[in-house]
Amino acid sequence: DSGVTQTPKHLITATGQRVTLRCSPRSGDLSVYWYQQSLDQGLQFLIQYYNGEERAKGNILERFSAQQFPDLHSELNLSSLELGDSALYFCASSATSGQYNEQFFGPGTRLTVL
Amino acid sequence: AQSVTQLGSHVSVSEGALVLLRCNYSSSVPPYLFWYVQYPNQGLQLLLKYTSAATLVKGINGFEAEFKKSETSFHLTKPSAHMSDAAEYFCAVSTEAAGNKLTFGGGTRVLVKP
Repeated sequence: DSGVTQTPKHLITATGQRVTLRCSPRSGDLSVYWYQQSLDQGLQFLIQYYNGEERAKGNILERFSAQQFPDLHSELNLSSLELGDSALYFCASSATSGQYNEQFFGPGTRLTVL
Repeated sequence: AQSVTQLGSHVSVSEGALVLLRCNYSSSVPPYLFWYVQYPNQGLQLLLKYTSAATLVKGINGFEAEFKKSETSFHLTKPSAHMSDAAEYFCAVSTEAAGNKLTFGGGTRVLVKP
């Protein structure tokens, strides 16, 4: 158990819908990262937040957005869903934003878009 | 830009045999390198990391990896495979220029035969 929690574990929805994925980082970790794992794209970095502020952006679609709240939990919002958004979405956390810090991964949310 | 190539998407080894997973990276600046393992229906767990100290890095579960700058490689080895090593393994790179963002290779799935 990494200490990072993600809810829900599974999500099935239809095209065009909007969903919210939630992540609670390890106690004391200030940085949260979101990654997408799909069969065709592999594991890709989406976005990073550090203590409530956006720190880095990767291959995140405009239909996707995220935020980190004062209690440090984070939410990833996916809207106008397409079939190709079906993937495993991971959240990871680290103590700070520096590169030496190990990222601890949550169990993921499996999103299926029908 | 940074990138990672893992040679072989699938590797099959016999129990007790050497496990060798290949990883080559591309980076214009000194990299930080990681190996993660993903068991079925679980998140990613860090096996080991290279952060410019010793070039031979020992990790958990008997795995180790050697950083070879001249070959831009960071291959993962384990002298004797165990059935519990069956999983998918990911090599990843981060650099100071890219912040703490992890760029992953395509992954190598390991099958261990009795």
